[in-house]
Amino acid sequence: GENVEQHPSTLSVQEGDSAVIKCTYSDSASNYFPWYKQELGKRPQLIIDIRSNVGEKKDQRIAVTLNKTAKHFSLHITETQPEDSAVYFCAAEGFGNEKLTFGTGTRLTIIP
Amino acid sequence: ETGVTQTPRHLVMGMTNKKSLKCEQHLGHNAMYWYKQSAKKPLELMFVYSLEERVENNSVPSRFSPECPNSSHLFLHLHTLQPEDSALYLCASSQSPTGNYGYTFGSGTRLTVV
Repeated sequence: GENVEQHPSTLSVQEGDSAVIKCTYSDSASNYFPWYKQELGKRPQLIIDIRSNVGEKKDQRIAVTLNKTAKHFSLHITETQPEDSAVYFCAAEGFGNEKLTFGTGTRLTIIP
Repeated sequence: ETGVTQTPRHLVMGMTNKKSLKCEQHLGHNAMYWYKQSAKKPLELMFVYSLEERVENNSVPSRFSPECPNSSHLFLHLHTLQPEDSALYLCASSQSPTGNYGYTFGSGTRLTVV
């Protein structure tokens, strides 16, 4: 089955700087890669996703890049703000696979 | 609310109790999921239901018993749990079990087994 590894487990960034979280996956058939943000005491929420026919996707301050050959994808957050502090989870799913496999999460702290 | 409602939000139960967790989605989605979230562990998939049919049981102990009476409701029946079962139990739904759609999660039930 699919195995997703996520790094780093914790990340502290000065407000205004950029943050990058990386994930690798094992199943070359996986073709859908969402990212979820979970604030303290709240539910995980989808913030951005990318499919395998696209190498990069951007939505305001967040972007995701995908390297299918290397089987890794990354979340980039620019101009970080205190409200970006949360745990971020990456995930991978193959078409018709009926489930997402999640990474272990990254706790991002933005330092004012 | 995002359209996926879980009750109760918090539950404390003894190891000999029987209780049920409830999940309801108002999004017209066709797939529903139970995940277990423990500290410092990835989200663990427990069960997948597609159009009310269970399509995955991820080696979950029999003390957890799911039920999906229709595409809008999902239950997790609990009996004779162990302290290590204490965790946040998240329900999620998606538009389709295939085709790679994102999940909408509920707020979870924080379960404590004493």
